[in-house]
Amino acid sequence: QKEVEQDPGPLSVPEGAIVSLNCTYSNSAFQYFMWYRQYSRKGPELLMYTYSSGNKEDGRFTAQVDKSSKYISLFIRDSQPSDSATYLCAIKGGSEKLVFGKGTKLTVNP
Amino acid sequence: DTAVSQTPKYLVTQMGNDKSIKCEQNLGHDTMYWYKQDSKKFLKIMFSYNNKELIINETVPNRFSPKSPDKAHLNLHINSLELGDSAVYFCASSYGTYSEKLFFGSGTQLSVL
Repeated sequence: QKEVEQDPGPLSVPEGAIVSLNCTYSNSAFQYFMWYRQYSRKGPELLMYTYSSGNKEDGRFTAQVDKSSKYISLFIRDSQPSDSATYLCAIKGGSEKLVFGKGTKLTVNP
Repeated sequence: DTAVSQTPKYLVTQMGNDKSIKCEQNLGHDTMYWYKQDSKKFLKIMFSYNNKELIINETVPNRFSPKSPDKAHLNLHINSLELGDSAVYFCASSYGTYSEKLFFGSGTQLSVL
């Protein structure tokens, strides 16, 4: 079983839709949960960072972590064409390297 | 000012050649990384240096040799290039080893013909 699983999509939604992106992971020792956004021909940039369980909100973005189910989500409200990008989840334990999901390509259509 | 810059942006070369990619960061970070992203967008760590010391060395062929002259620079030299080396190579930096907050460069698209 891979450490982090992420549906690669692609996902296409109309402008204004609520987007849900998800990852599952196998190692219950993981404590740090991140979402990186990667625009075409650019490097990934950190979008959201969560430690342990719970929700974190930043503007239109909400990150959720359910450690009991080993499941993390990123919700985008009122999606915009500028949100079109590949979203990569990234997870790690304490003193361990970051493990990335394969990324989900999102297109928001005007 | 670009935080993490890598050159060149594109690299097209023949099989068997040797090439280098350079990376510099001006964020004052002490840790730098090389990542490889394949055609399916899978991002995988190759190397990590902390203050010029090699920390992470994943299962990467010996043909790949990183060099860190100082903590602001991390270069990647690749010998005897193969078709399978074609990918996008990203440099990244962070505060501390094994950080979850990485800052990436824009990538080097390597195409081996």
